[in-house]
Amino acid sequence: AQSVTQPDIHITVSEGASLELRCNYSYGATPYLFWYVQSPGQGLQLLLKYFSGDTLVQGIKGFEAEFKRSQSSFNLRKPSVHWSDAAEYFCAVGEGADGLTFGKGTHLIIQP
Amino acid sequence: NAGVTQTPKFQVLKTGQSMTLQCAQDMNHEYMSWYRQDPGMGLRLIHYSVGAGITDQGEVPNGYNVSRSTTEDFPLRLLSAAPSQTSVYFCASSYFSAEVGEQFFGPGTRLTVL
Repeated sequence: AQSVTQPDIHITVSEGASLELRCNYSYGATPYLFWYVQSPGQGLQLLLKYFSGDTLVQGIKGFEAEFKRSQSSFNLRKPSVHWSDAAEYFCAVGEGADGLTFGKGTHLIIQP
Repeated sequence: NAGVTQTPKFQVLKTGQSMTLQCAQDMNHEYMSWYRQDPGMGLRLIHYSVGAGITDQGEVPNGYNVSRSTTEDFPLRLLSAAPSQTSVYFCASSYFSAEVGEQFFGPGTRLTVL
């Protein structure tokens, strides 16, 4: 069965500092990987996705993620965070009709 | 386009009551799904549908029922509400192909069962 692990429940970063959120997955084949962001009281918005090809994926809001098959990882990065980036971030894996399997989320706190 | 809409936004039920959470999308997506979100658990798939007249169970289907009579609508029914069903419910939709397309999420329904 597929699974997703986000090792960090909370991360605190100073505004302007760089960010990396970790995601490890377990999947039998080439995975389809996603990062979603959820602002308080809101639904989920897709930041970026990886299906195939270039392992460095660019997304919205200045985010990027790198797929590393050897490490079963799909970490999310941003070079300089803004206060508006404070939110819950979810990594997900999925294929076909079985829907997405989500990690438990990482809560990002931005310090001024 | 309104995207994915969900009603109601908030609901309080008593144990044993039934209700239907509504979900509609105007993007002509074949694939629709329901997730529940609980603190520290991420989102878990309840039911999904790959087209009108076709539904299937996800990871946590017990206590929930779905139907898909049209492409646009995918209601979720709680047959006899229990406190364990207190959660935030999200509906999502996408184009369906051999690979999972981007799923578009609704704003959610926050349900409390007393």
